[in-house]
Amino acid sequence: GNSVTQMEGPVTLSEEAFLTINCTYTATGYPSLFWYVQYPGEGLQLLLKATKADDKGSNKGFEATYRKETTSFHLEKGSVQVSDSAVYFCALSIHGQNFVFGPGTRLSVLP
Amino acid sequence: DGGITQSPKYLFRKEGQNVTLSCEQNLNHDAMYWYRQDPGQGLRLIYYSQIVNDFQKGDIAEGYSVSREKKESFPLTVTSAQKNPTAFYLCASSTTGTSNQPQHFGDGTRLSIL
Repeated sequence: GNSVTQMEGPVTLSEEAFLTINCTYTATGYPSLFWYVQYPGEGLQLLLKATKADDKGSNKGFEATYRKETTSFHLEKGSVQVSDSAVYFCALSIHGQNFVFGPGTRLSVLP
Repeated sequence: DGGITQSPKYLFRKEGQNVTLSCEQNLNHDAMYWYRQDPGQGLRLIYYSQIVNDFQKGDIAEGYSVSREKKESFPLTVTSAQKNPTAFYLCASSTTGTSNQPQHFGDGTRLSIL
């Protein structure tokens, strides 16, 4: 079946540190890949997406590259801010259906 | 602006009572979804609907019911059979037929037991 695995949190970083949150997937067919962010007490917001191999999604300083050979979609940011503290979810979909979410990774950024 | 509206934001249920959570979208999306999120946990799919008047059970449908009489609306009823309903409930929608479109989420409803 389809699945998404994320690194266990929580991840705690100092402001301006480099962020990597690992995400790997298993899927039948060719999935689209997404990163969502959830701030406390809110719903999930789409952060970025990539729809085919070697695509790079980017938004608000975050980036992730669709790596078909390693079935990965790692999230990176060069310099995190306190306002980036949130829970991050990696997700995939097949043909616009069958959405599968990872367990989420909590990020805390300290000033 | 188009989006998904969930109401109420907070809801309290008494023992033995059914409660209904509202979800409305004006994105013209065919598919709608309900998820449950427990503290510090990921999302678990309760029900989903890909077309009006049709819906499917997700992974944790027991104790819940839904209807899809209109494209814009997908209410979730938490019945008295759901013994542990305290959670954060998220509604989402998406287009169908294309593989590159994400799900869009509402702001959630937090349900608690009195």
